[in-house]
Amino acid sequence: DIQMTQSPSSLSASVGDKVTISCRASQTIGTSLNWYQQTLGKAPRLLLYGASSLQSGVPSRFSGSGSGTDFTLTITSLQPEDVATYFCQQSYTTPQTFGQGTKVEVK
Amino acid sequence: EVQLLESGGGLVQPGGSLRLSCVGSGFIFNNYAMTWVRQAPGKGLEWVSAIRGTGTSTFYADSVKGRFTISRDNSKNTVYLQMNSLRDEDTAIYYCAKGVLILDPFDVWGQGTMVIVSS
Repeated sequence: DIQMTQSPSSLSASVGDKVTISCRASQTIGTSLNWYQQTLGKAPRLLLYGASSLQSGVPSRFSGSGSGTDFTLTITSLQPEDVATYFCQQSYTTPQTFGQGTKVEVK
Repeated sequence: EVQLLESGGGLVQPGGSLRLSCVGSGFIFNNYAMTWVRQAPGKGLEWVSAIRGTGTSTFYADSVKGRFTISRDNSKNTVYLQMNSLRDEDTAIYYCAKGVLILDPFDVWGQGTMVIVSS
């Protein structure tokens, strides 16, 4: 199975800060990388797919980049409603594996 | 509005069985692959099983292979997960999710149904 490793596991930032989350795949996956946001007690929500394509309805402060094995999710200006856990997921092959998650808090 | 609604969760003893259901609405159900993803309490997401829109192909995580069976009834817009020989480690919220193809991202998720395996 392809292992997905996210860093950091958690972070705390101020409103308006730029936040970056990294995701690394254990083997090359092209751009078959998706990002999800999960707020407390809710189901995950698709934010980005294909490494950099923004899902409909997602604010433009979210962006993604990368290919091969290294990927990044960026929030350009952190907002209070962005408090959540973020997961990367590879959709290159089954089983579609997820990163362990990055918990984002607001200072 | 596109929606997925899971049901069938509950408390079951180790070794027992449970069948989860997920009903889809607001989209052409048989055009979409359906996937089950689970999340143990306080843990991350684990892909469990998936089935093509036609139902002709199924896929399983090694952790559930031989114990769980995914199926669908497109006439009822429903996907099922039959879970047998349940173990403590199967305790989790089970979500169903949709994507056009097996390897597509999951653009819609259900609210989840809780399965607790405990004596």
